[in-house]
Amino acid sequence: DGGITQSPKYLFRKEGQNVTLSCEQNLNHDAMYWYRQDPGQGLRLIYYSQIVNDFQKGDIAEGYSVSREKKESFPLTVTSAQKNPTAFYLCASSTAKNIQYFGAGTRLSVL
Amino acid sequence: AQSVSQHNHHVILSEAASLELGCNYSYGGTVNLFWYVQYPGQHLQLLLKYFSGDPLVKGIKGFEAEFIKSKFSFNLRKPSVQWSDTAEYFCAVASGGSYIPTFGRGTSLIVHP
Repeated sequence: DGGITQSPKYLFRKEGQNVTLSCEQNLNHDAMYWYRQDPGQGLRLIYYSQIVNDFQKGDIAEGYSVSREKKESFPLTVTSAQKNPTAFYLCASSTAKNIQYFGAGTRLSVL
Repeated sequence: AQSVSQHNHHVILSEAASLELGCNYSYGGTVNLFWYVQYPGQHLQLLLKYFSGDPLVKGIKGFEAEFIKSKFSFNLRKPSVQWSDTAEYFCAVASGGSYIPTFGRGTSLIVHP
């Protein structure tokens, strides 16, 4: 069953804590992305990676970090520097033709 | 930087009504255009796409969209909506040479049975 797997589905963060959201794909796509979805604001790009060991900042990268050590995996860390982390986070991968495939998302809340 | 505007943020229709959701973008060159849909509790998924050729494209579930280059628009249409079309709809645009799409803010569609 091919696709994008995000975990956990729900995550809670305490003040000053870093948390990591997992994203795994078995679609053999080179490109992967992280988006943040807030009500009424659509999807905003946090980070993207075109290839293993390379990634680029998106529009709202501050307070986030990523790594791309394996083709299948693109974890996102929400650091304590992100002052408003409560949101729905979506991971995606894409074909060369820009068609994106999305995971089910992780909903992050602050305790 | 390119921008994507979706004019209707919330749309409420009765079943069998016709639907048109507006999408305009700012980039003047070659573009790849997409509509994605997010049904309640489901993954965001591709509804239809335009890369080149016939500007009227057909997608899943009876949806279609028309690319009008002169108006920088890619409006989504369906002649007769169903209750199961209740979802959030996102327009996305990737400019030529970039595979990174920019998404609009989304339109929440509620269809009453």
